[in-house]
Amino acid sequence: AQSVSQHNHHVILSEAASLELGCNYSYGGTVNLFWYVQYPGQHLQLLLKYFSGDPLVKGIKGFEAEFIKSKFSFNLRKPSVQWSDTAEYFCAVMDNYGQNFVFGPGTRLSVLP
Amino acid sequence: DAGVTQSPTHLIKTRGQQVTLRCSPKSGHDTVSWYQQALGQGPQFIFQYYEEEERQRGNFPDRFSGHQFPNYSSELNVNALLLGDSALYLCASSFISSSGRNTQYFGPGTRLTVL
Repeated sequence: AQSVSQHNHHVILSEAASLELGCNYSYGGTVNLFWYVQYPGQHLQLLLKYFSGDPLVKGIKGFEAEFIKSKFSFNLRKPSVQWSDTAEYFCAVMDNYGQNFVFGPGTRLSVLP
Repeated sequence: DAGVTQSPTHLIKTRGQQVTLRCSPKSGHDTVSWYQQALGQGPQFIFQYYEEEERQRGNFPDRFSGHQFPNYSSELNVNALLLGDSALYLCASSFISSSGRNTQYFGPGTRLTVL
């Protein structure tokens, strides 16, 4: 069965700091990878996704993620965070048959103004 | 273009009761998945409906059942409610493609409180 781990439970940064949130998955086959964000009081929104091709994926709001197959990782990055990036971030994995969609436990990001 | 909608927004029930939650998928989507999100945790997959049938199921008891209608909307039913069923229930819709590239879009959720 697939599983997803996210290294940090809670990350606290000051505005303009760089961000990297870790995500590792376990699955033996080809995977599709996602990052979702949940702003306070709002629903889950898709930040970015990886299906195939260039392992460096750019998403909305200046976020990007890099798929490193050898490390089973899909870390999320942003060069300079803003107070409005305060939210819960979830990494998710799906198998290549469009099934077995599994979320990580989430990382709470707090950005101090 | 309406996104995924869910109703009701909030619901309070007592132990042993039954509840029905509803979801309308995003326009053009044919598949609906349901998730349970407990406080401080990631969403846990309950089941997925496609062509009015349960396509896949997560590790949830039979008290959790669902239905998909010909217009692709869906219901989640939970019988014999337990305190531990208190959570945010999320619906996600997607379009099943032959490539398996299935991106899920989420609704706002229904907050269920069991007393």
